[in-house]
Amino acid sequence: DADVTQTPRNRITKTGKRIMLECSQTKGHDRMYWYRQDPGLGLRLIYYSFDVKDINKGEISDGYSVSRQAQAKFSLSLESAIPNQTALYFCATSDFNSYEQYFGPGTRLTVT
Amino acid sequence: QKEVEQDPGPLSVPEGAIVSLNCTYSNSAFQYFMWYRQYSRKGPELLMYTYSSGNKEDGRFTAQVDKSSKYISLFIRDSQPSDSATYLCAMSWSGGSNYKLTFGKGTLLTVNP
Repeated sequence: DADVTQTPRNRITKTGKRIMLECSQTKGHDRMYWYRQDPGLGLRLIYYSFDVKDINKGEISDGYSVSRQAQAKFSLSLESAIPNQTALYFCATSDFNSYEQYFGPGTRLTVT
Repeated sequence: QKEVEQDPGPLSVPEGAIVSLNCTYSNSAFQYFMWYRQYSRKGPELLMYTYSSGNKEDGRFTAQVDKSSKYISLFIRDSQPSDSATYLCAMSWSGGSNYKLTFGKGTLLTVNP
């Protein structure tokens, strides 16, 4: 089984809808991250969490919120989706004191 | 100026060629350097990780860091069609508990049989 899983893998939604992307990991890592990837813009950090009680904004957090339900679960919400949030979303994890991040397979989100 | 610059390519080479992928950076505080490989429709996977200036070799792959020039490279020897992917450089600095990565935009590589 994959160490970092994301659901759903693909999602099409309409402008104004609320949507949640979920991430689970079995690596036992404390740290979890949400990124979005856009053509020509690379990977950009949305939010990160160093433990269950620690949530931090990344470089592009506007329009997004997150919840760290447990050490192994980190979800990303779009409260009111807009078309420019169409992108590939990745969850990643890392161990304490490590720079090595491990990525999930991604969620392709389309907002129409 | 972006903190990390990476030529997006695309780069197309014949099988067996030596490939050179490069990134430049502006933040002299960066000390940790990584290369990720991302196949189409997959998440990035860590390929190599270096800390110091100099070369690090792993099979057909060599990562090179030149901190004085703020320049890192990934060399792929005897390239194979299975190396066709997007390669992203990533780097971080040692500052308190900051373990965030700054990524380049990625270079799309195609190795033709």
